[in-house]
Amino acid sequence: ETGVTQTPRHLVMGMTNKKSLKCEQHLGHNAMYWYKQSAKKPLELMFVYNFKEQTENNSVPSRFSPECPNSSHLFLHLHTLQPEDSALYLCASRPLVKPGRDTEAFFGQGTRLTVV
Amino acid sequence: AQSVSQHNHHVILSEAASLELGCNYSYGGTVNLFWYVQYPGQHLQLLLKYFSGDPLVKGIKGFEAEFIKSKFSFNLRKPSVQWSDTAEYFCAVNARNTGNQFYFGTGTSLTVIP
Repeated sequence: ETGVTQTPRHLVMGMTNKKSLKCEQHLGHNAMYWYKQSAKKPLELMFVYNFKEQTENNSVPSRFSPECPNSSHLFLHLHTLQPEDSALYLCASRPLVKPGRDTEAFFGQGTRLTVV
Repeated sequence: AQSVSQHNHHVILSEAASLELGCNYSYGGTVNLFWYVQYPGQHLQLLLKYFSGDPLVKGIKGFEAEFIKSKFSFNLRKPSVQWSDTAEYFCAVNARNTGNQFYFGTGTSLTVIP
């Protein structure tokens, strides 16, 4: 248990559906991440939030819409997805970087998404 | 941009065999380096990390890794693997002090045969 909780663990959705993935941490971390994990590919960084502000968007299609209402919660809103979007979506968090105080990222268990 | 290469995609070993998984990164600046493990159905867990100091770092479960700056490498080793080490192993890098992005390799699937 890392302290990063993702719900749901599994999600099957049609291409016309709208759904949301949720990530929650109460570790006091101020940076939160969404990653996409597909077979045979490196983990793809999707979004980064620092203190609720989005700092990175790695050319992610607009059918993925992140939301970070506070430092403890992160959402990924999904709409009109494609079958190739099926993957494991991972949330991670870490304390914000200070010089000399680097840390690792802590990951949730992920949401297995299947788009049909 | 940073990138990470893991050249071994799938490794099969018998119990008690020695393990070495390769990791090379591409980045001109100072980096932090990590190895994560993902057991079937579980979350990514940190095995070990290198920030600075002794380039030979020891992690959990008998794993160690050596940072060789001249080779841009951070290979993972274990002298004697167990069946319970069957998992996916990921190398990751991020820029020291400034980087909030973590870059991961494609992962190496390790199967240990009893």
